[in-house]
Amino acid sequence: AQKITQTQPGMFVQEKEAVTLDCTYDTSDPSYGLFWYKQPSSGEMIFLIYQGSYDQQNATEGRYSLNFQKARKSANLVISASQLGDSAMYFCAMRDLNTGTASKLTFGTGTRLQVTL
Amino acid sequence: NAGVMQNPRHLVRRRGQEARLRCSPMKGHSHVYWYRQLPEEGLKFMVYLQKENIIDESGMPKERFSAEFPKEGPSILRIQQVVRGDSAAYFCASSPPDRVYEQYFGPGTRLTVT
Repeated sequence: AQKITQTQPGMFVQEKEAVTLDCTYDTSDPSYGLFWYKQPSSGEMIFLIYQGSYDQQNATEGRYSLNFQKARKSANLVISASQLGDSAMYFCAMRDLNTGTASKLTFGTGTRLQVTL
Repeated sequence: NAGVMQNPRHLVRRRGQEARLRCSPMKGHSHVYWYRQLPEEGLKFMVYLQKENIIDESGMPKERFSAEFPKEGPSILRIQQVVRGDSAAYFCASSPPDRVYEQYFGPGTRLTVT
């Protein structure tokens, strides 16, 4: 069974600073994908970034980067130059890639990020 | 290309009534997933469907819940005889057939059972 752990229920960061949101995972599957989603107060789920378990380089998407440490089973999200609009819940998720077909995402409990002036 | 559509966005039902939640996937997407989010929790997988087939329903409660994705029309998540514990946000996601690792989420339906 897959498990995602997000140990930070809440985080504060000052505007323009960088922040790291922690995510550790547990799986017996050799091939998997890791995702980060943002959920603002309006409630929708916004895809941010994806990392495959066999990807050699850490994924980056604009101000988002994923610090993937496979041996430690961690996939931390780094947000650089925080903006007020980054205030939201952030969810780490994973799915098995072995089946060759789409399969379910397993989510963590989330981290609420508050960006301050 | 419109995103994943869900309706209604908000639904209020009394205990014992039925709730029907609709999801229209993105154009060209043939895979649909339903997730439930209880207050202050992460999303929990419920069911994965392709057109006219249930592929994985391991997260569906055994009773009162059902889902379908007909050949024509939206996917429907149906909850019979709702109870207060069913109050949650229900999210639908869809994937294209050639990039099944991507899941695009709809805005969710917030169900309140009174």
